[in-house]
Amino acid sequence: EPEVTQTPSHQVTQMGQEVILRCVPISNHLYFYWYRQILGQKVEFLVSFYNNEISEKSEIFDDQFSVERPDGSNFTLKIRSTKLEDSAMYFCANTRLAGGPNTGELFFGEGSRLTVL
Amino acid sequence: LAKTTQPISMDSYEGQEVNITCSHNNIATNDYITWYQQFPSQGPRFIIQGYKTKVTNEVASLFIPADRKSSTLSLPRVSLSDTAVYYCLVGAVSGTYKYIFGTGTRLKVLA
Repeated sequence: EPEVTQTPSHQVTQMGQEVILRCVPISNHLYFYWYRQILGQKVEFLVSFYNNEISEKSEIFDDQFSVERPDGSNFTLKIRSTKLEDSAMYFCANTRLAGGPNTGELFFGEGSRLTVL
Repeated sequence: LAKTTQPISMDSYEGQEVNITCSHNNIATNDYITWYQQFPSQGPRFIIQGYKTKVTNEVASLFIPADRKSSTLSLPRVSLSDTAVYYCLVGAVSGTYKYIFGTGTRLKVLA
């Protein structure tokens, strides 16, 4: 079964540092997402990305966040200057082109745990 | 986007059928209903999706009444490994790119 791969699995960083989280989506998927989950809380939408541009973003996704697909395969989330409250699990997800059974099924990676000290 | 409401938690015993209901009073004509399962420290995993009536797959059934303002996920004969958080999502499956998770239902299966 195809998988979404995320790296690193865990990153510890100092407050104010830049962090890049990486995702390798399933190869024929076209819609990409980042979600985060603070420990013990619900899964929160950050941003969606299609056709090399942001489609939707939440209020969480402020100017310190950015996403890109630099080489047509990897999908990255950059946090420019991390804060303590950015500590969370970050999940990458993707979906197939619309149409067909189970359209819109989100395929999630295993997550990258970010700890900001 | 339709907001969803689910019970915060449920307990069940092994071998029982579990039904988790989700309310989505503002569901739109184009919206589908999708359920996900999440284990601790893992990404959510798709369980089932439906638009109306009943959908069944190898792990669950999804019941959707005619007015589509609610849906019920049915897990037959649960085991300890079904202990997880279950999320109901409502949204169009094309043309929108913002799938919002609610607080979910924490299911605990007891021996």
